[in-house]
Amino acid sequence: AQSVTQLDSHVSVSEGTPVLLRCNYSSSYSPSLFWYVQHPNKGLQLLLKYTSAATLVKGINGFEAEFKKSETSFHLTKPSAHMSDAAEYFCVVIRGGSQGNLIFGKGTKLSVKP
Amino acid sequence: EAQVTQNPRYLITVTGKKLTVTCSQNMNHEYMSWYRQDPGLGLRQIYYSMNVEVTDKGDVPEGYKVSRKEKRNFPLILESPSPNQTSLYFCASSPITAARTGTTNYGYTFGSGTRLTVV
Repeated sequence: AQSVTQLDSHVSVSEGTPVLLRCNYSSSYSPSLFWYVQHPNKGLQLLLKYTSAATLVKGINGFEAEFKKSETSFHLTKPSAHMSDAAEYFCVVIRGGSQGNLIFGKGTKLSVKP
Repeated sequence: EAQVTQNPRYLITVTGKKLTVTCSQNMNHEYMSWYRQDPGLGLRQIYYSMNVEVTDKGDVPEGYKVSRKEKRNFPLILESPSPNQTSLYFCASSPITAARTGTTNYGYTFGSGTRLTVV
């Protein structure tokens, strides 16, 4: 069965320093993985997606994620945090088959200090 | 503009008073789904629909109903709301190939959310 685990519920960084949000996945086959971002009082926005085309995936706003099969990880990174990056981030896997729904991690809240 | 539209954005109601949250998409997607978001739990699927007149339970369906009479609309119905249904609700849509094969080049498109409070 597919699942994702976000290893940190809260991450705090200073503006201009790197961001690392960790996600491990479990899947019986090669998964489709996503990162979504939710800014306060806003809906969900797709940051990036992995669909087996390339292991390093670039997304919007300078974020990227690397799919590592040997480590079953899909960590989200950004070289330099900006105040506007403060939000909640969700790692997501698709549960294929007849139900086909998205399985969300519990979220990581990113705080950015000036 | 391709989008998923939910209404209302905010709703406060009393226990037991039936309500409907509407969801409409303009992308001709076959697959639609409802999620609820609760602090520390992420988003959990309530119901989903693979196409018109085809609906099924997700992970937390108790207390909810849905219908899919037209491809574009997928309303969420709470026949007798209770306080434990206070939550943030999201509707999402996707092409059917994404749902069936577990792969997608598109991702899923989410509505802006409906914050429901049941008192």
